Amino acid sequence: GAVVSQHPSRVICKSGTSVKIECRSLDFQATTMFWYRQFPKQSLMLMATSNEGSKATYEQGVEKDKFLINHASLTLSTLTVTSAHPEDSSFYICSARDLSREGYNEQFFGPGTRLTVL
Amino acid sequence: GQNIDQPTEMTATEGAIVQINCTYQTSGFNGLFWYQQHAGEAPTFLSYNVLDGLEEKGRFSSFLSRSKGYSYLLLKELQMKDSASYLCAVMDSNYQLIWGAGTKLIIKP
Repeated sequence: GAVVSQHPSRVICKSGTSVKIECRSLDFQATTMFWYRQFPKQSLMLMATSNEGSKATYEQGVEKDKFLINHASLTLSTLTVTSAHPEDSSFYICSARDLSREGYNEQFFGPGTRLTVL
Repeated sequence: GQNIDQPTEMTATEGAIVQINCTYQTSGFNGLFWYQQHAGEAPTFLSYNVLDGLEEKGRFSSFLSRSKGYSYLLLKELQMKDSASYLCAVMDSNYQLIWGAGTKLIIKP
């Protein structure tokens, strides 16, 4: 159980275009999802916490107008990278907590999306 | 500030034992996680410690001392497939994960 999927797994786009990444919890409801970015040979950097039905909470230094997050249902959160530039090229990973498991704080990770902006 | 420290890289021999240490300073504590991450892939869960002591799970064990702000991941009977980065993460009082930079483990035949 506790499977998280991401789509697409890999995307290449031109500079200036927008890219949407979907994160789905397949067999549990996730009121909270997390979006991370990871550059090569670096650790995960939390970008934002996505709460179902409310605005996302962005980490310091992350532009909320550039990285649009929508958590419209208990199983789906989307991250849209608007007007992407080459420096946005990175590995984007989402995770979700299964709050039905009381006292169990594990985050379940999606497989990640490799974004390359040309 | 919040800080997680772990070695950048370690090398071990196939069949041997290796211990990866993690020290932390965080605002509150709601558990410590170890994740394994192969290159180009998302992290996968290995262990979760919230009480002091040793948790054993097959070839992998994880230890926690909350008073010392210290944990280690112990890998036994190393296999080549264990070559990966091992990430230590602490859940703080806001239930956010604070991540270490990861330890790249290289296994040699």
